[in-house]
Parts: sequence; C-alpha cells; structure tokens
Amino acid sequence: DVKVTQSSRYLVKRTGEKVFLECVQDMDHENMFWYRQDPGLGLRLIYFSYDVKMKEKGDIPEGYSVSREKKERFSLILESASTNQTSMYLCASRLANEQFFGPGTRLTVL
Amino acid sequence: AQSVTQLGSHVSVSEGALVLLRCNYSSSVPPYLFWYVQYPNQGLQLLLKYTSAATLVKGINGFEAEFKKSETSFHLTKPSAHMSDAAEYFCAVRAYYGGSQGNLIFGKGTKLSVKP
Repeated sequence: DVKVTQSSRYLVKRTGEKVFLECVQDMDHENMFWYRQDPGLGLRLIYFSYDVKMKEKGDIPEGYSVSREKKERFSLILESASTNQTSMYLCASRLANEQFFGPGTRLTVL
Repeated sequence: AQSVTQLGSHVSVSEGALVLLRCNYSSSVPPYLFWYVQYPNQGLQLLLKYTSAATLVKGINGFEAEFKKSETSFHLTKPSAHMSDAAEYFCAVRAYYGGSQGNLIFGKGTKLSVKP
C-alpha cells in the first residue's frame, strides 16, 4: 500500500514563527502536492511538485513556500505564520490518475 | 477550464436509507472524475473514479456513481446507509490545462450524517 506520512498531526505556533510541515511518501511518486482545507471551501492547492527541485504554484501560494530536495519528501514552509493560516494541511502524492493523501496536519497559529 | 459543484454542504439520512450525494462538473474535454471520502481527523481516501470506461462505476464500501454526460453529473449513491458512512465526501475532476495538467480540482465537500 502507498503510504504518505506527515510529520505532525497537530501543531500550535505563534504569529511570526517560521513553520515547517513535512511530508514523506514511500512509493517513488514524482508528483506531490500541498493543500489546505477549510470548512466550506474544500481543498485548495497551495503548491505542487512534479520532480526533485521543481515546484509550481497552485491556487493560493501567497505566504507559503516549498522545498523538494529528495523525491520522497516535500516540505511546506510558512515563512512568518499568521493567524489566517490556521487550517488543516493535507499532503498528497500522485500515480497516474490517483492521488494518495496523508492524514493531515491541523495547524493553529495563535 | 474544469470545475466541480457539489449540491448540498450537509446531507442527513437515516440508517438503512438511500444515500445520494450530488456532483456536477464543467469540462471542455472528456473528464476524469473522482469521489473521495474523509473520515473525521483523517486524510482523503479514494472511493471510486471514472476514467472514460464504464459509465457506472463501483467503489469501496458499497458506493457507486454514474457518469451522465448529458447532465454533466457524477452523483454518488449507496442503497443503504450505515452509521460508519458518516464522513465528508469530495467530488473532484482532473485538470487539463496549463501547468496544472493532471492535478485535481475539488468540490467544496458534502458532509453526510447518518441518524440511527
């Protein structure tokens, strides 16, 4: 089975902190994604990557950056966390037409 | 461009009743369509997918969906709801434009409640 893991299930940070969310997949997938999920808004794509060191902006990249140094790992970075970044963050990897999701990280910024 | 609309942010059914979750899509090319389920405090899990083969697609946990091109719909059904079906359901369409080729565009989700 494909496994996508995220480094934390719950995270609490303070405004202005730099935040790293880590995602690892074990199936050698080339494509990886970061989404944020908010009630009533569904999933919105922040960034995606189709290869090591390659990244593309999604629909809501402002306030975020990403890093993909190794194929299996895709990191989401909040350079200076703000309260409006309190959300559920979901990572996914893709093979053909199917995306496989991690369990999510619920981030609270105080 | 593609888009997905899920009708009804909340649906409530009684245990044993029919489940019907509605999804309409917009696409200028033949779409690939998906239904995902999210149980509380978990990630998304693929229920079923339509990739231009049979129009009636069977998925896990007794769910199925029918692709109707004339109605641009891909509604999700289950004949008899179980308490364990209580979750949020997302419809998605594969993107076919620009740098987002192959990405998924999600609907806003429908939360299903099942009453005993």
